[in-house]
Amino acid sequence: DPKIIQKPKYLVAVTGSEKILICEQYLGHNAMYWYRQSAKKPLEFMFSYSYQKLMDNQTASSRFQPQSSKKNHLDLQITALKPDDSATYFCASSQDGGRDTGQLYFGEGSKLTVL
Amino acid sequence: AQKVTQTQTSISVVEKTTVTMDCVYETRDSSYFLFWYKQTASGEIVFLIRQDSYKKENATVGHYSLNFQKPKSSIGLIITATQIEDSAVYFCALITGNTGKLIFGLGTTLQVQP
Repeated sequence: DPKIIQKPKYLVAVTGSEKILICEQYLGHNAMYWYRQSAKKPLEFMFSYSYQKLMDNQTASSRFQPQSSKKNHLDLQITALKPDDSATYFCASSQDGGRDTGQLYFGEGSKLTVL
Repeated sequence: AQKVTQTQTSISVVEKTTVTMDCVYETRDSSYFLFWYKQTASGEIVFLIRQDSYKKENATVGHYSLNFQKPKSSIGLIITATQIEDSAVYFCALITGNTGKLIFGLGTTLQVQP
């Protein structure tokens, strides 16, 4: 059974709309992350949370808002969607955040297509 | 600024042989951690192996090992006795700060043929 659940796996949205990507981890980890993978670009760090507190935000746009309602949840709300937002969004977790983060465990990804 | 560069776009090998994938990194930090991850055809991303910058010994896990050359800012991944199922995209990654941010390279696609 997957230890990090991402929903939905695939989604199609129209430009200007809003979507929420869901992520739950059942590894008992204290840190969670969002990464984005676009064509011909490296996996790109977006956010990191540790004990439900934001550690780092590398997204240039406020249209991307993480939401952590529980320690093992880190959802990603994306507003005013643009075609350039089309990508696969990966949720990840690690035992702890910080410098010695150790290995990350990744979810299966949510592939977003914006038309 | 931190940066990770993987110059090999793709590599093709015959199974049971050894392959080396290159990675060079840039950081001004004296302490950092280096990782290799694998992304399978299904999109699953899996951690493979890690090297701590302060350790002189090359890390080894199963049939994965690292060639860590700190003066050259290089961390090569060596896969011995390759198997068909090793076919995947391999990413090198660096972490330096204290926010858990991993910086990834573009990846190297490995194809293992019978």
